[in-house]
Amino acid sequence: AQSVAQPEDQVNVAEGNPLTVKCTYSVSGNPYLFWYVQYPNRGLQFLLKYITGDNLVKGSYGFEAEFNKSQTSFHLKKPSALVSDSALYFCAVRGGSNDYKLSFGAGTTVTVRA
Amino acid sequence: NAGVTQTPKFRVLKTGQSMTLLCAQDMNHEYMYWYRQDPGMGLRLIHYSVGEGTTAKGEVPDGYNVSRLKKQNFLLGLESAAPSQTSVYFCASRDRSLGAFFGQGTRLTVV
Repeated sequence: AQSVAQPEDQVNVAEGNPLTVKCTYSVSGNPYLFWYVQYPNRGLQFLLKYITGDNLVKGSYGFEAEFNKSQTSFHLKKPSALVSDSALYFCAVRGGSNDYKLSFGAGTTVTVRA
Repeated sequence: NAGVTQTPKFRVLKTGQSMTLLCAQDMNHEYMYWYRQDPGMGLRLIHYSVGEGTTAKGEVPDGYNVSRLKKQNFLLGLESAAPSQTSVYFCASRDRSLGAFFGQGTRLTVV
């Protein structure tokens, strides 16, 4: 069975500082990995994905994520956080092109203070 | 484009009542999903569909039924609502290569 772990319930950073949200996964086959962001009382918005190719993936709003196969990780990063980045972030995985299930982590609440 | 639309947005049910949540997508996506979101538990997959006329169970299917009679619609039914089904429900759709697109959610309270 596939699974996703987000080890931190909350991440707090000061505006302008680097932001990292951690994610590790377990899946059979080649992983398809995703990050989503959820603002209060809204649905999830797609940030970025890793399917194949370059391990460093760039996405929306200045976010990027690094795929590390040996550590089965897919950490989300932003070099300089903004107050508007405060939200709930979800990592998700599915096991390759033939796997239909998309499994989510429990989410990490990011708070960026001014 | 509307993307993924869920109706209703809010609902309060009494224990034992039934209801149907509707999800409609206008992107011609093959795959559709129903999730529930509960605090500290992330999104848990209830049921999903890989095409018109097909459905499959996810992680937490008990107490729910689904139907995909038309490609653009995915219905989630609660036959006899229970307080444990109080949650926020999200529908999502995707095609083969893209990430999933989510609806705005339905906040359901069962009293």
